[in-house]
Amino acid sequence: DTAVSQTPKYLVTQMGNDKSIKCEQNLGHDTMYWYKQDSKKFLKIMFSYNNKELIINETVPNRFSPKSPDKAHLNLHINSLELGDSAVYFCASSQDGAARDTQYFGPGTRLTVL
Amino acid sequence: AQSVTQLDSQVPVFEEAPVELRCNYSSSVSVYLFWYVQYPNQGLQLLLKYLSGSTLVKGINGFEAEFNKSQTSFHLRKPSVHISDTAEYFCAVEGNNNNDMRFGAGTRLTVKP
Repeated sequence: DTAVSQTPKYLVTQMGNDKSIKCEQNLGHDTMYWYKQDSKKFLKIMFSYNNKELIINETVPNRFSPKSPDKAHLNLHINSLELGDSAVYFCASSQDGAARDTQYFGPGTRLTVL
Repeated sequence: AQSVTQLDSQVPVFEEAPVELRCNYSSSVSVYLFWYVQYPNQGLQLLLKYLSGSTLVKGINGFEAEFNKSQTSFHLRKPSVHISDTAEYFCAVEGNNNNDMRFGAGTRLTVKP
C-alpha cells in the first residue's frame, strides 16, 4: 500500500499554463505539506495544512495555492507557470504536525516548464 | 528560526569502508534533529531522529547518529557501507516550539565497488 501518493509523476508544460498536482495520504495523518526541491537538491517547505487550516506559508508566490478537499488530500495548484517553477515537488504528511513528528514523503512530481 | 548546514556536498567512499556525513545546526531553542535518505528518483525516507534522551541514535540500514549539543552537531555514521547506500542524505532540524522543519542542502554519498 502506498502511504503518500502523488500524481502525476512527471509534468511537462509551457510557460503561462495553469497546472495541478494531486496528493493523497492513507495514513490517517492530520497534517500535510508541500516541498519544492530545486536542481541543486535544496529542499524548501512551501505549505502545510492541518485539519484544513494553513499553518505555514513561506515566501511562496501567490500563483501557488494549496487546496485540501479533506484531510487525506492536499493538492497544489499553480497558475501562470514560469521557467523558475521547474523543480521536483514533494508532498508529505505527519501525524498531527507536532515538531517531533516524522514526515512521510511521496515519490515526487517532476515539473518541467518549457 | 533554526538552520542546518551539511558540510560536504559529495562523499565518495569504497564499499565496506566506514562513512561519516557531517551536519551542524543553529537554533535559539531546543531542537529535534532528523536524517532523511533519498534514493534516486524517490521521495525522502526517515533514517533516524533525535528527540531527547540518549545522544546516540540508531536508525535503519545500520546507520547511527550522535547528538552533540556543545558542538551543535548531528553527524551520521555507518561502520561499513554497501553499494545500495548510494543516495542523497538530508539532515533536518526543527525547533521544539514550532513545526517549521529546515533541511540542509544534502550530501551525495556514492559507494564504489
